[in-house]
Amino acid sequence: GAGVSQTPSNKVTEKGKYVELRCDPISGHTALYWYRQSLGQGPEFLIYFQGTGAADDSGLPNDRFFAVRPEGSVSTLKIQRTERGDSAVYLCASSLGTGVLPDTQYFGPGTRLTVL
Amino acid sequence: KNEVEQSPQNLTAQEGEFITINCSYSVGISALHWLQQHPGGGIVSLFMLSSGKKKHGRLIATINIQEKHSSLHITASHPRDSAVYICAVKGVYNTDKLIFGTGTRLQVFP
Repeated sequence: GAGVSQTPSNKVTEKGKYVELRCDPISGHTALYWYRQSLGQGPEFLIYFQGTGAADDSGLPNDRFFAVRPEGSVSTLKIQRTERGDSAVYLCASSLGTGVLPDTQYFGPGTRLTVL
Repeated sequence: KNEVEQSPQNLTAQEGEFITINCSYSVGISALHWLQQHPGGGIVSLFMLSSGKKKHGRLIATINIQEKHSSLHITASHPRDSAVYICAVKGVYNTDKLIFGTGTRLQVFP
């Protein structure tokens, strides 16, 4: 009974580099969410997928951030030209996505990104 | 002003004490979540509420839709309850994204 998994668990990179963060949702969950949590803050929404399409990407901070979910399961969050301010824990969550309450989101352990 | 505000930000308690964490929100919602986050760990969903009250073990969550307020109560607190407790709401008019409070850091001492 696998939950949501994220890889890597920790990523240290240098300013200006490109990084990819991966999320494996719970099997059968059609909805997938990416959130970002800075130190001492609550998570902030980045992007939400329903199936393969991004239903809401209004939380992506700028065009350096991009996410894909080509087959409607695994998703990759891509960050170009990383900046020190991108350092945070990136959380992924998935839910059944049926649109009927309750639709609990199940969170992964997060990827801690540190940009030096 | 944040759309979801929690109080207190930090809370310490002695084992056995009754604990209350409050959440107020300013937007219309379809549901409110209480989540638990242990240091270095992932987030676990404790409750999802759209009205009334829910109870699970020593945890009780209530919501007052008219007052836009929810409370999370922990009875007979234990050191293993030490964690960050986060309130998050799902809006009525937008997508299924959650809007989070900044969390309440709870430490329970033996």
